[in-house]
Amino acid sequence: KNQVEQSPQSLIILEGKNCTLQCNYTVSPFSNLRWYKQDTGRGPVSLTIMTFSENTKSNGRYTATLDADTKQSSLHITASQLSDSASYICVVEGSNYKLTFGKGTLLTVNP
Amino acid sequence: DAGVIQSPRHEVTEMGQEVTLRCKPISGHNSLFWYRQTMMRGLELLIYFNNNVPIDDSGMPEDRFSAKMPNASFSTLKIQPSEPRDSAVYFCASSFWESEQPQHFGDGTRLSIL
Repeated sequence: KNQVEQSPQSLIILEGKNCTLQCNYTVSPFSNLRWYKQDTGRGPVSLTIMTFSENTKSNGRYTATLDADTKQSSLHITASQLSDSASYICVVEGSNYKLTFGKGTLLTVNP
Repeated sequence: DAGVIQSPRHEVTEMGQEVTLRCKPISGHNSLFWYRQTMMRGLELLIYFNNNVPIDDSGMPEDRFSAKMPNASFSTLKIQPSEPRDSAVYFCASSFWESEQPQHFGDGTRLSIL
């Protein structure tokens, strides 16, 4: 069964600190892995998309890594800001463009 | 540019009533997706369309749910009759029909069935 597991479920950090969110998946076949940011009351917004051959991709202060051998990904946030408070969702695309979603990590950045 | 537009943003109705959720995808996108999000299960794909044709509706929970896409700029998700367990946030997303294309989500309809 295709699954995407994220950890931790929630995380609280102080503004300016770095953090790393984890994602493990069992989706097969694998097409690509995406990270989305979802603000409260809003729809998810795409941060990065990585294919099998890519092992890192950045979007501003967000850097995603992918290890396709171990089926693990991480999202690193540098110099966190209050606006980074959101849920971060890991999504894996398999065959036929079908996406499998993780349940997300809820990040709270406190001043 | 206008993003994906969903209406209504909030809907509260009594069980047994018919509920219709609406979505206008981004102009030019040829794929449209309906999702349901709950605390327990996260985001779940209900159905998706390519060029207005339903491709996979295996995520539709039961016959009470139906979706249509009469043209490239409009889709509806209907629940009839509604039940309290249908309470969730329903998202519509659109994209180009190619791998690695990001899906653009609307801001959802928060549905409460009393």
